[in-house]
Amino acid sequence: GAVVSQHPSWVICKSGTSVKIECRSLDFQATTMFWYRQFPKQSLMLMATSNEGSKATYEQGVEKDKFLINHASLTLSTLTVTSAHPEDSSFYICSASLGMNTEAFFGQGTRLTVV
Amino acid sequence: AQSVTQPDIHITVSEGASLELRCNYSYGATPYLFWYVQSPGQGLQLLLKYFSGDTLVQGIKGFEAEFKRSQSSFNLRKPSVHWSDAAEYFCAVGAGSNYQLIWGAGTKLIIKP
Repeated sequence: GAVVSQHPSWVICKSGTSVKIECRSLDFQATTMFWYRQFPKQSLMLMATSNEGSKATYEQGVEKDKFLINHASLTLSTLTVTSAHPEDSSFYICSASLGMNTEAFFGQGTRLTVV
Repeated sequence: AQSVTQPDIHITVSEGASLELRCNYSYGATPYLFWYVQSPGQGLQLLLKYFSGDTLVQGIKGFEAEFKRSQSSFNLRKPSVHWSDAAEYFCAVGAGSNYQLIWGAGTKLIIKP
């Protein structure tokens, strides 16, 4: 199956700094990628839909100025958590699909800890 | 509105016993259905999917699921669980209008020795 690589797998940062998470589709082109956040013992919460060459579509309640998404190429989307605070600590996961209603391929996830 | 319900937050079964995880969906059109598994601290792996055709689908790791349109269900089954099956299981529905999936809350599977 298709491979999605997410980097880094974990990061610890100081409060007030920014962190960038990368999501790459290694063997296919992904015009659309998704960014999720997962709290402990909970399901995936869709944060935004990342579209190559255009602005991301954010879900209600997600601060677009805090969670910056850039999808500059067909194989790379980045999520930048700006001015991170401890409450931003979470597990962030990206995914990409080969097409409408096809399975999603997931990155390994990034564990963000803000201290 | 489209939704996916996994009624069981967690299930405990003995190793070697059979397993059934429930998933019910609400979707107006023909659903595209998925089961994913997530091990602790990991991303998600596709177990199986249903798009059309035979309503009993086989997946990886010995899992299968049956699509029942009349019950709006897509339950996941395994005849004999192994300790390595302990994980979180998510059911999802393809939303149709874009590539987005609608997710259930997940069921945590606990295996007793």
